Amino acid sequence: GAVVSQHPSWVICKSGTSVKIECRSLDFQATTMFWYRQFPKQSLMLMATSNEGSKATYEQGVEKDKFLINHASLTLSTLTVTSAHPEDSSFYICSAVDRGLEQFFGPGTRLTVL
Amino acid sequence: KNQVEQSPQSLIILEGKNCTLQCNYTVSPFSNLRWYKQDTGRGPVSLTIMTFSENTKSNGRYTATLDADTKQSSLHITASQLSDSASYICVVITGTASKLTFGTGTRLQVTL
Repeated sequence: GAVVSQHPSWVICKSGTSVKIECRSLDFQATTMFWYRQFPKQSLMLMATSNEGSKATYEQGVEKDKFLINHASLTLSTLTVTSAHPEDSSFYICSAVDRGLEQFFGPGTRLTVL
Repeated sequence: KNQVEQSPQSLIILEGKNCTLQCNYTVSPFSNLRWYKQDTGRGPVSLTIMTFSENTKSNGRYTATLDADTKQSSLHITASQLSDSASYICVVITGTASKLTFGTGTRLQVTL
């Protein structure tokens, strides 16, 4: 089956720094990838839709200047959390859509901001 | 408003026992419904995918049912194992792959 990877799997950073998370589709090309955030004991919340070669589409309430998304190739999307604060601590999950329009999820990245 | 509700919120069962998780949805238009298993600290993994015309689908010890008329689905786990301990999420897809509505999940704990 289709495999989606994320790197890093976890990261701890100081408040005010920026953190980049990578999402890769390993065995298929994905023109569309999604970024989700999940707080403890809650379901996934869609943050933004990332389309290869174009600007990301952000969900209501998600600051586009804080969560920078780049989808430079058909197998890679990156999410950069700029000037991270403790409230940004969360579990970030990406997904990639294959040609059959099915979403495959990555293993997630645990971000802890001190 | 599109919503997916799951019950129970959490469940503890003994190893070897069966259990059934419920999902009610009000999502429209309906494309398909999926059950995912999410281990702690991991991303969701698909268990079953059900389209409008399917009533039952099995994947090993997992059996999902769908009643499109009442907009209900269930996930039955047979002969539970310790490794089944996880959150089980019901997701309804509308139209295209981009429209996913997630349920809040059922946290299952299987104990000895």
